[in-house]
Amino acid sequence: QVQLVESGGGVVQPGRSLRLSCAASGFTFSNYGMHWVRQAPGKGLEWVAFIYFDGNKISYGDSVKGRFAISRDNSQNTLYLQMNSLTAEDTAVYFCARDGRIYSSGKDFFEFWGQGTRVTVSS
Amino acid sequence: QSVLTQPPSASGTPGQGVSISCSGTWSNIGRNGVNWYQNLPGTAPKLLIYRSDQRPSGVPDRFSGSRSGSTVFLAISGLQSEDEADYYCATWDDSLNAWVFGGGTKLTVL
Repeated sequence: QVQLVESGGGVVQPGRSLRLSCAASGFTFSNYGMHWVRQAPGKGLEWVAFIYFDGNKISYGDSVKGRFAISRDNSQNTLYLQMNSLTAEDTAVYFCARDGRIYSSGKDFFEFWGQGTRVTVSS
Repeated sequence: QSVLTQPPSASGTPGQGVSISCSGTWSNIGRNGVNWYQNLPGTAPKLLIYRSDQRPSGVPDRFSGSRSGSTVFLAISGLQSEDEADYYCATWDDSLNAWVFGGGTKLTVL
């Protein structure tokens, strides 16, 4: 079955960096686009970034553009999110999610989600 | 302020039905399919409805989706205690070039 396991979260000071990982299994990782979605404490869901199945196209939400970088290693079945210049507003649980169709542009639906990893930005 | 508008809360008694709305504009709901997610605290969100009215395998047929113009609806029939959760709608916005979510609806089963 599809499994997505996020890791790399923790407590980090404002202005610092953190890299999240998402280990995928149970499907052909290299066939699917992948997303990062976050949820701040007590708040709703917010889309963060998307990467095509082959890594050749990437898109970001406005709140993270220029600070975050999504990437993937299809040989390791792993998705990454490099987060730089972190602020308190980035405090959230970060979920990775698999796109709903193979080779898609990422505009269809998020079919499977991981359990999330918590990031706290605080001095 | 969320791009998609959902009521903050909804409620019903066991066995009853409830409907949750999600309103948007021409650039999002008006042009693209809408997905519904169930979110229990501390767990991964779960896809309930995709492309406005499609149900993934394994999702009970008590859950259904419909659309009327730039508003979509999630209907839950035969409410059960385990349906108590937060429900989010989401779709792609062609103007923002981004995914947008509703603010979420907290469903209480009385």
